[in-house]
Amino acid sequence: QLQLQESGPGLVKPSETLSLTCTVSSGSISSSNYYWGWIRQPPGKGLEWIGSIYYSGSTYYNPSLKSRVTISVDTSKNQFSLKLTSVTAADTAVYYCARQKRVVTAIPEYYFDYWGQGTLVTVSS
Amino acid sequence: DIQMTQSPSSLSASVGDRVTITCRASQGISNSLAWYQQLPGKAPKLLLYAASRLQSGVPSRFSGSGSGTDYTLTISSLQPEDFATYYCQHYYGAPWTFGQGTKVEIK
Repeated sequence: QLQLQESGPGLVKPSETLSLTCTVSSGSISSSNYYWGWIRQPPGKGLEWIGSIYYSGSTYYNPSLKSRVTISVDTSKNQFSLKLTSVTAADTAVYYCARQKRVVTAIPEYYFDYWGQGTLVTVSS
Repeated sequence: DIQMTQSPSSLSASVGDRVTITCRASQGISNSLAWYQQLPGKAPKLLLYAASRLQSGVPSRFSGSGSGTDYTLTISSLQPEDFATYYCQHYYGAPWTFGQGTKVEIK
């Protein structure tokens, strides 16, 4: 059974950089059939897609966050990572990593089929 | 960007009730739609994709339908474990966006 586990600091100061890593186990991050994504959820609010990465390193980012986001992949460690710069209190959220189906056909498929448990990151001084 | 609007935002229902949640896209998305269930304090769980295809292991009381811009999630007979928040998500091209969620509460 595929497992994803987020790790990183639970508290980040305003204006600093949020850094999280997702470790994938019982499955290869180098599969051609999947992207690997980050999604966040502010307390009591809905889900916001942050960005996704393919094992080759190609990325998609949410335009609303693109200027502050970098997602990278380390296939040797079966991990992918998120960096979000210049954080404010509005970036306080539970951050999830997830596997994203990648089917490039006449009817493409890009839904999220496995999720990590999530990690709460609070932005506060 | 494609906007996803769910209705209602919340609803109250009893065990055994038939429940329907609607998701409307700001433009046609050709059935490129997934539904997720989120229990309190848990990660979302994929229920359906391609608007109507049931993810493996999901009970058959969950079903989806729709086309173009309008889609529905139906729970045929609500069970105690179904009280949760439900989200739709389009994947008709990036950026992939979610609806704002529908909370299903106990009546």
